[in-house]
Amino acid sequence: NAGVTQTPKFRILKIGQSMTLQCTQDMNHNYMYWYRQDPGMGLKLIYYSVGAGITDKGEVPNGYNVSRSTTEDFPLRLELAAPSQTSVYFCASRGLAGDHEQYFGPGTRLTVT
Amino acid sequence: AQSVAQPEDQVNVAEGNPLTVKCTYSVSGNPYLFWYVQYPNRGLQFLLKYITGDNLVKGSYGFEAEFNKSQTSFHLKKPSALVSDSALYFCAVRDGGSSASKIIFGSGTRLSIRP
Repeated sequence: NAGVTQTPKFRILKIGQSMTLQCTQDMNHNYMYWYRQDPGMGLKLIYYSVGAGITDKGEVPNGYNVSRSTTEDFPLRLELAAPSQTSVYFCASRGLAGDHEQYFGPGTRLTVT
Repeated sequence: AQSVAQPEDQVNVAEGNPLTVKCTYSVSGNPYLFWYVQYPNRGLQFLLKYITGDNLVKGSYGFEAEFNKSQTSFHLKKPSALVSDSALYFCAVRDGGSSASKIIFGSGTRLSIRP
């Protein structure tokens, strides 16, 4: 049982480039989340999904897009990367009802220069 | 809107002493409260949660937390700190009145345990 996996672990982008951060969970969780964590700061919610085909904005969605075509996958797309998007990105998931806690992936460290 | 506050950026404790990491919250419905720990270059790991029932909840690694409704607090505690407890700790809250509600994280408290 791998839990929540994220790829890549590290990435350096030039300003204006685009990329997709991958997130996959094998726990059949309905809810999935993308957060960013800036140095020395807490987590900010970017986007979340309550099930396949359903996504919604979090606190800081500008500059990002998501899709949820399957239960397992929740990719995060960065278009026209900017230095302000330099951060560590975490994907998380949780199940329904009684499973209240979130399970986090190991993170993707992104630098935009 | 829900929110959570961790008033201390850093807490320093000597090994063997008790530790407390503070958290206060605001939520319109019933609070679901969580503590997570983050070690360097790692994702967040779940420590414990309060959903309902006893106000004192016990979690991983000997940690516990006390839910205080009147003070809207959920402080994390441990009777005897270990050097290995040094990490970044996050408090989080979700509105239990909605199954689709988002979990909101505090800004984190860095716990440093000196030998």
